[in-house]
Amino acid sequence: ELKVEQNPLFLSMQEGKNYTIYCNYSTTSDRLYWYRQDPGKSLESLFVLLSNGAVKQEGRLMASLDTKARLSTLHITAAVHDLSATYFCAVVPSTSGTYKYIFGTGTRLKVLA
Amino acid sequence: DSGVTQTPKHLITATGQRVTLRCSPRSGDLSVYWYQQSLDQGLQFLIQYYNGEERAKGNILERFSAQQFPDLHSELNLSSLELGDSALYFCASSTRTSGRAGNEQFFGPGTRLTVL
Repeated sequence: ELKVEQNPLFLSMQEGKNYTIYCNYSTTSDRLYWYRQDPGKSLESLFVLLSNGAVKQEGRLMASLDTKARLSTLHITAAVHDLSATYFCAVVPSTSGTYKYIFGTGTRLKVLA
Repeated sequence: DSGVTQTPKHLITATGQRVTLRCSPRSGDLSVYWYQQSLDQGLQFLIQYYNGEERAKGNILERFSAQQFPDLHSELNLSSLELGDSALYFCASSTRTSGRAGNEQFFGPGTRLTVL
């Protein structure tokens, strides 16, 4: 069974600190997506990673993909309170032949002032 | 605003009832996806349509069905509702079902279903 695991599940950090969220998946995939969800709100697309070694940055967030290790990271630099949200990664298995997006468990981030 | 619209925003109904959730994709998007988000199951992919045809099926119960109409809007029908069906239901759309464009999904605001 395909699994997409994120860790940590919960993260409480001080403003100004750096941290990394990890997304591990159990099948081959050449594309990975990161989303942000604020409480009670919809999901907002953050990054689309399409190849091994892909790195994308937007503001204080940087995402990378290692398809050989089946691992993606979301790095937070100098966190600010506005980054508090739940972050999801999602994978589309290469072998599926379809677009069954499999979402990770989510990482709930709380940035403390 | 993603450009994807969903109605209604909230729905409260009783067990055993049937409801229909509606989704209008972004202008130009041919693919529509349905997801269920609950506290205990997380975000679960239900079903995908592309230009009116079913393309992928996930953890969708037999009591649930969906379709995509010629104008590309989609409806998710939930019948014989149970307490456990209470969840947020999201619709997402994307430009195409395959290809190297990344197939980025844009999510609607969701419909919160409460089954009493």
